[in-house]
Amino acid sequence: AQKITQTQPGMFVQEKEAVTLDCTYDTSDPSYGLFWYKQPSSGEMIFLIYQGSYDQQNATEGRYSLNFQKARKSANLVISASQLGDSAMYFCAMRDGGRGGNKLTFGTGTQLKVEL
Amino acid sequence: KAGVTQTPRYLIKTRGQQVTLSCSPISGHRSVSWYQQTPGQGLQFLFEYFSETQRNKGNFPGRFSGRQFSNSRSEMNVSTLELGDSALYLCASSLSTNANTGELFFGEGSRLTVL
Repeated sequence: AQKITQTQPGMFVQEKEAVTLDCTYDTSDPSYGLFWYKQPSSGEMIFLIYQGSYDQQNATEGRYSLNFQKARKSANLVISASQLGDSAMYFCAMRDGGRGGNKLTFGTGTQLKVEL
Repeated sequence: KAGVTQTPRYLIKTRGQQVTLSCSPISGHRSVSWYQQTPGQGLQFLFEYFSETQRNKGNFPGRFSGRQFSNSRSEMNVSTLELGDSALYLCASSLSTNANTGELFFGEGSRLTVL
């Protein structure tokens, strides 16, 4: 069975600092995709970044980068130059191959608070 | 380019009633999947539709059902509502159903309260 583990229930970071949110995953399928989403208090799930299991390079999207370590089964999100607007819940998710289609398995999330 | 649109955004129902939620995917996307988010259970997959066919179903009772129309719009229905059905229901659309390609985009959700 697929599993996503986010071990940090809450994180604090100072504005303009970088922060790393941890995510480990477990799957036996060689083909899978990894996602990070941001969910502010409004509830909307905002797509941040995506990494396919066969992608050779780590994904980057603006201030977001995904530190993909396949052998360790980790997919940590790095946010550079944190902003107050980055305060939100962050979810790591996995879509696996086979018959999984677009079924995502989510972690429990990390609540990030950016402080002045 | 318009994003994923979910209606209604908020609704209140009483136990025993039924509810229908709607999701319009991003133009050109043929895959629509639904998720339930509650404080206790987190985010859980309900079902996915692709080209009007249900591809995958999560572990929810038969009271939860869905369908997809030829224009890729999808609806989900919950019958005989229970207090535990109070949740944020999120819809996601994707161009692809390939596990190794393609992003998945969510709507703003429909927040259901059952009294």
